[in-house]
Amino acid sequence: GQQVMQIPQYQHVQEGEDFTTYCNSSTTLSNIQWYKQRPGGHPVFLIQLVKSGEVKKQKRLTFQFGEAKKNSSLHITATQTTDVGTYFCAGNYGGSQGNLIFGKGTKLSVKP
Amino acid sequence: GAGVSQSPSNKVTEKGKDVELRCDPISGHTALYWYRQSLGQGLEFLIYFQGNSAPDKSGLPSDRFSAERTGGSVSTLTIQRTQQEDSAVYLCASSFGGASYTQYFGPGTRLTVL
Repeated sequence: GQQVMQIPQYQHVQEGEDFTTYCNSSTTLSNIQWYKQRPGGHPVFLIQLVKSGEVKKQKRLTFQFGEAKKNSSLHITATQTTDVGTYFCAGNYGGSQGNLIFGKGTKLSVKP
Repeated sequence: GAGVSQSPSNKVTEKGKDVELRCDPISGHTALYWYRQSLGQGLEFLIYFQGNSAPDKSGLPSDRFSAERTGGSVSTLTIQRTQQEDSAVYLCASSFGGASYTQYFGPGTRLTVL
């Protein structure tokens, strides 16, 4: 079946270092969403990317959607302890209907 | 406004017992999803309701799992004859439509099967 592969599974960084997580699909996605789950919390929507090559920024977070709409990345500049959590990408293969297929997530820990 | 609510927040049960988990979606959301998240793991899709369409049950792990959505609103996930491997956090999410829309997650129900 359709899968969204996300790497790395874990990332440990020193506060102030950058962080990137990657999502890859073998087939073209209609759109991709990113969610953040804080420890002990539930996933919270961050952003949706729809267009080929799209880049969106939220403060220190930069989201990219590949030209082929098969991969995406989330980059955090100068991590802070508040960035700790698990970041999930979720791919849509079916347009306006259908399911989001979640990646397994990247768990980020930040050492102060 | 009110978000997605789930009850109970915690459920401890004995192996072999049945459990019911409830989800109240955001008012006006036509889509409702159930996911399972084992400790430290990703989100495992279970079932998806969209409006009056037949639900997508493709993620249910066994016939011990079932879900209903009454009146297009509240949903109940039922697990019969619970097993220890069913222990996990069960998350519900709702949205205005299909996969192009933001999913809003509830706080989850932590199920522990002894």
